[in-house]
Amino acid sequence: EDQVTQSPEALRLQEGESSSLNCSYTVSGLRGLFWYRQDPGKGPEFLFTLYSAGEEKEKERLKATLTKKESFLHITAPKPEDSATYLCAVQGVGAGSYQLTFGKGTKLSVIP
Amino acid sequence: KAGVTQTPRYLIKTRGQQVTLSCSPISGHRSVSWYQQTPGQGLQFLFEYFSETQRNKGNFPGRFSGRQFSNSRSEMNVSTLELGDSALYLCASSQGQTIGYTFGSGTRLTVV
Repeated sequence: EDQVTQSPEALRLQEGESSSLNCSYTVSGLRGLFWYRQDPGKGPEFLFTLYSAGEEKEKERLKATLTKKESFLHITAPKPEDSATYLCAVQGVGAGSYQLTFGKGTKLSVIP
Repeated sequence: KAGVTQTPRYLIKTRGQQVTLSCSPISGHRSVSWYQQTPGQGLQFLFEYFSETQRNKGNFPGRFSGRQFSNSRSEMNVSTLELGDSALYLCASSQGQTIGYTFGSGTRLTVV
């Protein structure tokens, strides 16, 4: 059974204070690892897909990296508008290849 | 380009009733997935449809069912509602398995 654990559950940062969010996963075979951002009352917004260990992707102040056991979402010089819950999900091969298994998310608060 | 549209946005039902939720995917997307999101359990996979066929189903009781129409629009139905069914129900569509899933804003179901 695929499993995803995200840490920390919540993170408060001062504006401009860089940090990283962690996503640890176990999956029989990784088809893809996804990062989403979710604002209150809205659906998750797609950020990145990573496919293999060593892969990195960037978008504005966000950078996602992937190893064989975990993924990190690095936030550089965050702004208050980066405040949201960040969700990590994996998609495996085989019987579970048509579903995403999500972690419970990291709630990020960026204080001006 | 229109996103994933879910209707209704909010719904209040009484225990024992049944409910039908609707999802219109992005034009050209043939895969539609449904997820239940609660504060305690996070996002949990319900089922996935492709070309009117259910390819995968999550660990939910038989009271939860769905279908997909020839135009890729999808509905999910919950019969004999229980208080624990109160949740945000999210629909996601995709062109392909690892291209990325786009979520709608969800339907907030409250069972009283």
